[in-house]
Amino acid sequence: DIVMTQSPDSLAVSLGERATINCKSSQSVLYSSNNKNYLAWYQQKSGQPPKLLIYWASTRESGVPDRFSGSGSGTDFTLTISSLQAEDVAVYYCQQYYSTITFGQGTRLEIK
Amino acid sequence: EVQLVESGGGLVQPGGSLRLSCAASGFTFSSHAMSWVRQAPGKGLEWVSGISGSGGSTYYADSVNGRFTISSDNSKNTLYLQMNSLRAEDTAVYYCAKDQTVAGTIYYFDHWGQGTLVTVSS
Repeated sequence: DIVMTQSPDSLAVSLGERATINCKSSQSVLYSSNNKNYLAWYQQKSGQPPKLLIYWASTRESGVPDRFSGSGSGTDFTLTISSLQAEDVAVYYCQQYYSTITFGQGTRLEIK
Repeated sequence: EVQLVESGGGLVQPGGSLRLSCAASGFTFSSHAMSWVRQAPGKGLEWVSGISGSGGSTYYADSVNGRFTISSDNSKNTLYLQMNSLRAEDTAVYYCAKDQTVAGTIYYFDHWGQGTLVTVSS
């Protein structure tokens, strides 16, 4: 199975500042035939199910604020929150769907 | 509005069985693959099993292969997970999740249920 490793495990950022979460896959999740990266990002707030933020590595889900963006290709990916809001406190997960579904271990984002 | 409502969780002894259900509404159930994803207390997400919209293809994580069986009833818009030979490490909240795409395989999940807790303990 593809192993997804996120960094850091936890992160504290001041309100209005940029937050960056990294995700690295043990093998490429870029499918050469369609040039798509099979990578999604989720946000999970305390006591709630996960919420889809980003898919195909950089496509924002409908209704997700544009301060959330995804980037990267191959094995290295980044979720960026451009200006942190209080409601963004959550655990964030990356997930690959190139082969048997696997998730990263999660990154806890807090307010500094 | 898409709704996914899980049921069937509870306390079961090691070696026992349990059947989870997920009632779906608000979308064409037979067009979308569905999955079960679990989360042990205080831990991260683990994909457990998935099924194509037609029900013709099923997929399992190695950790449950041979013990769990996923199925769906498109006439009832319901997803199931039959869990046998349960172990303490199967203790988790089990989420039902809908695939956004209409492809036959499992991609990513645009809607999730609230989850049902399964506790395996003597």
